[in-house]
Amino acid sequence: KAGVTQTPRYLIKTRGQQVTLSCSPISGHRSVSWYQQTPGQGLQFLFEYFSETQRNKGNFPGRFSGRQFSNSRSEMNVSTLELGDSALYLCASSSPSEHGYTFGSGTRLTVV
Amino acid sequence: QQQVKQSPQSLIVQKGGISIINCAYENTAFDYFPWYQQFPGKGPALLIAIRPDVSEKKEGRFTISFNKSAKQFSLHIMDSQPGDSATYFCAATSRPGGTSYGKLTFGQGTILTVHP
Repeated sequence: KAGVTQTPRYLIKTRGQQVTLSCSPISGHRSVSWYQQTPGQGLQFLFEYFSETQRNKGNFPGRFSGRQFSNSRSEMNVSTLELGDSALYLCASSSPSEHGYTFGSGTRLTVV
Repeated sequence: QQQVKQSPQSLIVQKGGISIINCAYENTAFDYFPWYQQFPGKGPALLIAIRPDVSEKKEGRFTISFNKSAKQFSLHIMDSQPGDSATYFCAATSRPGGTSYGKLTFGQGTILTVHP
């Protein structure tokens, strides 16, 4: 079956702009989580959605937001971009009947 | 209390050798401990995982050893191969309501290099 699909793969944005990243989970998976990966901070949890409801949120400023649609697809938005937001943003999906999370290949965001 | 500490940061092993990566946690509510393997340009891929009611789990050349009392767990890669060269992350989580896996707390990662 198809894996987790993240679009776009690469993005270059200017400081102060906003950006929206998209994630399509594995078919049948209702839980979607987002993570930020940087060389300095490693993998950090952003938020988790389950059946369109945010169940858990990491320690990130309010500029980071997300949502999940009825088909389980998810988007995350970052407003007023800062240079420090440059990172690989990873989406992962899971199902209660399976074990563990499956990650997508990520969106590489560069803020200039 | 939410941290997972991973060591070493980097590891160099000869082909055929054993690679050992260690992790320690503090939160006793964690009930699922996965290891992920990440190649450049890719997302982390689940390698093997263990629950605290089991002290060891083996899948092929990969073994997790789990010490609940010490709150430590480790990944052993037997007969290490150059293709195993990647970054390895340990993680831990607890499942709210048993529905999904909640938030994964990751270790800082170990860059493994296996020389031919």
